[in-house]
Amino acid sequence: NAGVTQTPKFQVLKTGQSMTLQCAQDMNHNSMYWYRQDPGMGLRLIYYSASEGTTDKGEVPNGYNVSRLNKREFSLRLESAAPSQTSVYFCASSAKTSGGYTDTQYFGPGTRLTVL
Amino acid sequence: AQSVAQPEDQVNVAEGNPLTVKCTYSVSGNPYLFWYVQYPNRGLQFLLKYITGDNLVKGSYGFEAEFNKSQTSFHLKKPSALVSDSALYFCAVRDGIEFYNQGGKLIFGQGTELSVKP
Repeated sequence: NAGVTQTPKFQVLKTGQSMTLQCAQDMNHNSMYWYRQDPGMGLRLIYYSASEGTTDKGEVPNGYNVSRLNKREFSLRLESAAPSQTSVYFCASSAKTSGGYTDTQYFGPGTRLTVL
Repeated sequence: AQSVAQPEDQVNVAEGNPLTVKCTYSVSGNPYLFWYVQYPNRGLQFLLKYITGDNLVKGSYGFEAEFNKSQTSFHLKKPSALVSDSALYFCAVRDGIEFYNQGGKLIFGQGTELSVKP
């Protein structure tokens, strides 16, 4: 059971380049999330997917797009990277309780992205 | 609007002494509260959560947290700190008023760096 996995672990981009961050979970969770972590700002939600087939914007969605490819996979795309997107990106997933509400989120190891 | 505050950027404790990491919150409904720990260059690890029931919640690695509704606080505690507890700690809140299939979005505090010295 690998939990939540993310690729790549590190990436350096030039301004204007594009890339996709991959996330997969093997816990059969319904909901998946993308966060960014910046010093002194905690984690901020970029996008989330409450269930397969749905995606919604979080607190800081500008400059990003997401795809919920299937129940396991949730990717984050930067179409035209900017230095302000230099950050550590975390993917998370959570199950639904028997009552239909969202349980604890579990996090991947993160992707460190630098945009020059 | 939901919010979480961790009033201390850093907490310094001597090994063997009790530790407290503070968290206060604001939500419109009943809060769902979480503590996570992040070791250097790692992802966040779940420590404990409060959903309902007993105000004192016990979690991993000997940590516990006390929910105080009147003070809107959820402070993390440990009776005897270890050097290995040194890490970044995050408090998070979710509003208990969650519509089905909404996805349970968390709001995180900015984090508190805990340093435990031998």
